Amino acid sequence: GAVVSQHPSWVICKSGTSVKIECRSLDFQATTMFWYRQFPKQSLMLMATSNEGSKATYEQGVEKDKFLINHASLTLSTLTVTSAHPEDSSFYICSARAGVLGNYGYTFGSGTRLTVV
Amino acid sequence: EDKVVQSPLSLVVHEGDTVTLNCSYEVTNFRSLLWYKQEKKAPTFLFMLTSSGIEKKSGRLSSILDKKELFSILNITATQTGDSAIYLCAVRRIQGAQKLVFGQGTRLTINP
Repeated sequence: GAVVSQHPSWVICKSGTSVKIECRSLDFQATTMFWYRQFPKQSLMLMATSNEGSKATYEQGVEKDKFLINHASLTLSTLTVTSAHPEDSSFYICSARAGVLGNYGYTFGSGTRLTVV
Repeated sequence: EDKVVQSPLSLVVHEGDTVTLNCSYEVTNFRSLLWYKQEKKAPTFLFMLTSSGIEKKSGRLSSILDKKELFSILNITATQTGDSAIYLCAVRRIQGAQKLVFGQGTRLTINP
């Protein structure tokens, strides 16, 4: 089945530094990638939608300069949290979609738990 | 603005009980409603519903959609401790960027 590999699975960084999270589609081409964040005991909040080769579309209230998304190839999308602050600590998860897949097109990565200290 | 509301937010039952989770939505140009189970990490797909009144079933889990009343339910019978998880409901529109709008989730805990 379709697999999305996301790493790192967890990361701790200092305030002010940047962190890059990668999502790779292992056995299919991900024309569209979705990035979500999830706070404890809350649901998935969509941050942005990226299509390969074009700029990401950010949801209202999400700072595009802070959360940089790059989708340069059909198998790789990255989310970089720039100048991270403790309030950016969260669970970040990607979802990829391409054509017809077994689960109706949405495959999730395993998530990245970011802790900013 | 699209809205997906799940209830209850939290539910604790004993093993063997039957539970019903609710999801109501307000979405323009509705296309489909999806249920996911999230344990530690990535949500795993359970069901996708597009037609009203047709029950989807997988083992002890079943789900049905009412497009007139704009809601769906997820039933789990003979619950087991392994059913403990967050259950997420998401809605997709016909148009737009194919994105999913998620509800808050229901945290289900099954006690032995």
